[in-house]
Amino acid sequence: QVTLKESGPELVKATETLTLTCSVSGFSLSKARMGVSWIRQPPGKALEWLAHTWWNDEIFFNASLRSRLTISKDTPKSQVVLTLTNMDPMDTATYYCARSVYGFWFDSWGQGTLVTVSS
Amino acid sequence: SYVLTQPPSVSVAPGQTARIACGGDNIGSKSVHWYQQKPGQAPVLVVYDDSDRPSGMPNRFSGSNSGNTATLTISGVEPGDEADYYCQVWDRTSDHVVFGGGTMLTVL
Repeated sequence: QVTLKESGPELVKATETLTLTCSVSGFSLSKARMGVSWIRQPPGKALEWLAHTWWNDEIFFNASLRSRLTISKDTPKSQVVLTLTNMDPMDTATYYCARSVYGFWFDSWGQGTLVTVSS
Repeated sequence: SYVLTQPPSVSVAPGQTARIACGGDNIGSKSVHWYQQKPGQAPVLVVYDDSDRPSGMPNRFSGSNSGNTATLTISGVEPGDEADYYCQVWDRTSDHVVFGGGTMLTVL
């Protein structure tokens, strides 16, 4: 059974750095054609893609956030970590990690974690 | 950057057919994926690669894609289908995942 679970702080202050961890099970991050994306959703708004990492370490970023984002994976721990620097109240959102296999569609999602940024 | 446009809302009576459009420049040349999101829940993949269904997804959900419009069709709509629906593509030009703005499906 494939599962993904996000973890991290529920509340951060403006200008701080957010670090979120996606812990996966039921598949290996090193298996060919496996990938994980981070996607966020501000309250009442649409989904916004942030970043993606593939099994072969190929990485893609949302260009509008590129300067603030990093994504990395720890294959032995089955974790994908996202950092977002210089947080702003506009970054308040539910943050999801989601799996892709071969193509850029997401067949399994975590439950999401709500991050609130205080000013 | 590539833009996907969806109608904000679609309403349909139970048992009828709902069609949700997703517009984009020459979207027919891309693979389109669709997600269902119910309040307080994570999105769920309902259609991928224009018209394929994940294992276990009812065949009431189908998709098509041509020209500048992709369409998610839900046949025999049930009250449980009431949700937000998002289309999504991979834009090779910008190396970006792009989501549409979402469509709220209301079952009357």
